[in-house]
Amino acid sequence: EIVLTQSPATLSLSPGERATLSCRASQSVSSYLAWYQQKPGQAPRLLIYDASNRATGIPARFSGSGSGTDFTLTISSLEPEDFAVYYCQQRSNWPSYTFGQGTKLEIK
Amino acid sequence: QLQLQESGPGLVKPSETLSLTCTVSGGSISSSSYYWGWIRQPPGKGLEWIGSIYYSGSTYYNPSLKSRVTISVDTSKNQFSLKLSSVTAADTAVYYCARLALSWDVWGQGTTVTVSS
Repeated sequence: EIVLTQSPATLSLSPGERATLSCRASQSVSSYLAWYQQKPGQAPRLLIYDASNRATGIPARFSGSGSGTDFTLTISSLEPEDFAVYYCQQRSNWPSYTFGQGTKLEIK
Repeated sequence: QLQLQESGPGLVKPSETLSLTCTVSGGSISSSSYYWGWIRQPPGKGLEWIGSIYYSGSTYYNPSLKSRVTISVDTSKNQFSLKLSSVTAADTAVYYCARLALSWDVWGQGTTVTVSS
């Protein structure tokens, strides 16, 4: 099983700041990594697929990068609605698409 | 616009079988481009993939749950279903159904299932 480790567990920032979230895979997943945002009481929402492709309707301030085992989700300038939990998920190991444990982005 | 809606009992007794249905609207479950699946989230915890199904009936299960999980599809009703047997308190979670394209791109709102006597 491919294990995804996200860091940090919690990130405290202010609106307008830049957020950098990390996801590391226990083995190469090529570019087959996605990012999701989840707000309290809501289902996860797909932000980025295949490492760097924004999903439909996702603002340009969200960007993804990386390949192999190290990936980054960057939010260029935080809006109040961006404070949430973020999960990465790999699709390299069909059909066991594992998720990371999540990073909570909270208001400082 | 594609929508998914979970339905089923919110309370299940220990050792019994959890049964949920996901109804797909605004699109066909028989599309050859997608798989469909179930993902759960225990209270305060992360996401766990349970299993996936293709419209033809091909199924794929999380190895850690495989012995207790059955996922089926009813294309005539545009629905797919989850059965999880021999449940314990550890199966208490929000259960989501979702569509799988390159990633899980459309989700239901989720339904809370509590395992308790």
